Amino acid sequence: DAGVIQSPRHEVTEMGQEVTLRCKPISGHNSLFWYRQTMMRGLELLIYFNNNVPIDDSGMPEDRFSAKMPNASFSTLKIQPSEPRDSAVYFCASSFQGYEQYFGPGTRLTVT
Amino acid sequence: KQEVTQIPAALSVPEGENLVLNCSFTDSAIYNLQWFRQDPGKGLTSLLLIQSSQREQTSGRLNASLDKSSGRSTLYIAASQPGDSATYLCAVSGNQGGKLIFGQGTELSVKP
Repeated sequence: DAGVIQSPRHEVTEMGQEVTLRCKPISGHNSLFWYRQTMMRGLELLIYFNNNVPIDDSGMPEDRFSAKMPNASFSTLKIQPSEPRDSAVYFCASSFQGYEQYFGPGTRLTVT
Repeated sequence: KQEVTQIPAALSVPEGENLVLNCSFTDSAIYNLQWFRQDPGKGLTSLLLIQSSQREQTSGRLNASLDKSSGRSTLYIAASQPGDSATYLCAVSGNQGGKLIFGQGTELSVKP
């Protein structure tokens, strides 16, 4: 299996622009997670889905962030408008039936 | 609210030494605990998963133990090698299919 796939790997954008991060989970996995990693706060969950349904979005910072999972093989995390404090590494992870989580390589976002 | 703490924050050892990394969590009602490795600028690699009903898991030179009642886990690395140098992260899940709560990690350096 190719593992969890994320795109783009790096994104540099200007404040106010819309940013869309993409994730393809491991085939057969039914849970998908979006995490954010910063030096100050470490790794934190933003939102997760079970069977394509959002279960916990309590980590989404504010209304500027939104996530969708239209089918079992694709998810997006959108930031609109982006701000410099959104600069971080965003990870997508997937698991089967709540067991071991497998992480993608991450998207390094820089907002100037 | 679950909190995960890892001590020490950084550790430097000579090659060949056996070492122990510590992880503690405040709420013993966990579903599972997972240890990860993260190389600089890279994603997370899952090392070991321990279910709440288990006491330990082993993979090669790695052994992870879990004492749920005391809120502690340890990762034992035998005969350390320079290639083991990385940041090691501990994370707990409170329910099946749920999010992981991460510690801040232990940065390990193994000197040749």
